[in-house]
Amino acid sequence: GAGVSQSPRYKVTKRGQDVTLRCDPISSHATLYWYQQALGQGPEFLTYFNYEAQPDKSGLPSDRFSAERPEGSISTLTIQRTEQRDSAMYRCASSSDPSSYNEQFFGPGTRLTVL
Amino acid sequence: AQSVTQPDIHITVSEGASLELRCNYSYGATPYLFWYVQSPGQGLQLLLKYFSGDTLVQGIKGFEAEFKRSQSSFNLRKPSVHWSDAAEYFCAVGANNQGGKLIFGQGTELSVKP
Repeated sequence: GAGVSQSPRYKVTKRGQDVTLRCDPISSHATLYWYQQALGQGPEFLTYFNYEAQPDKSGLPSDRFSAERPEGSISTLTIQRTEQRDSAMYRCASSSDPSSYNEQFFGPGTRLTVL
Repeated sequence: AQSVTQPDIHITVSEGASLELRCNYSYGATPYLFWYVQSPGQGLQLLLKYFSGDTLVQGIKGFEAEFKRSQSSFNLRKPSVHWSDAAEYFCAVGANNQGGKLIFGQGTELSVKP
């Protein structure tokens, strides 16, 4: 695609529910990142994929968070048993490869609100 | 561990005035440094990046940044600010051999007054 897209743009859910966020990266990009951005803060790394492999998931805050990218393109981030502290903007970015000097292209984000 | 500090949470400048946004980083080796801009409802857009070589780097929209190793700083500058520059600005550091993940500062919100 022309850019990185994310859906839904906004998600309101009740505490304890599961949510799944979707990221559609730039079609030629091998690498996909997920970041969490709390209000008034910078994005914080959650995990990344190189094609379908997930070399680093060190930033996932708990085992309630999981991500997958089964075919090396679209990725989903799932939060189980949501808690109010999970409320944040979730940003996806893609890059041509997992090298630090390559530009990461960010999507518009999904604003998650947990009531 | 790598970290990035942006000391100014919010800055207001007059249109046409010069701008400097501060960024300090902590990293043991030569870092990869980035400045991103985030406009409301938009994703983050890369303004410029530094990896090596000339310590003064030019970016899009008339921005530049200077890497100063002795001060562990990578400050963003613009000679004359336009109203459309009002946004949130993030400094980030990337580490080699870590899959390209970025460590961001908390951001500086820029307001531009007429």
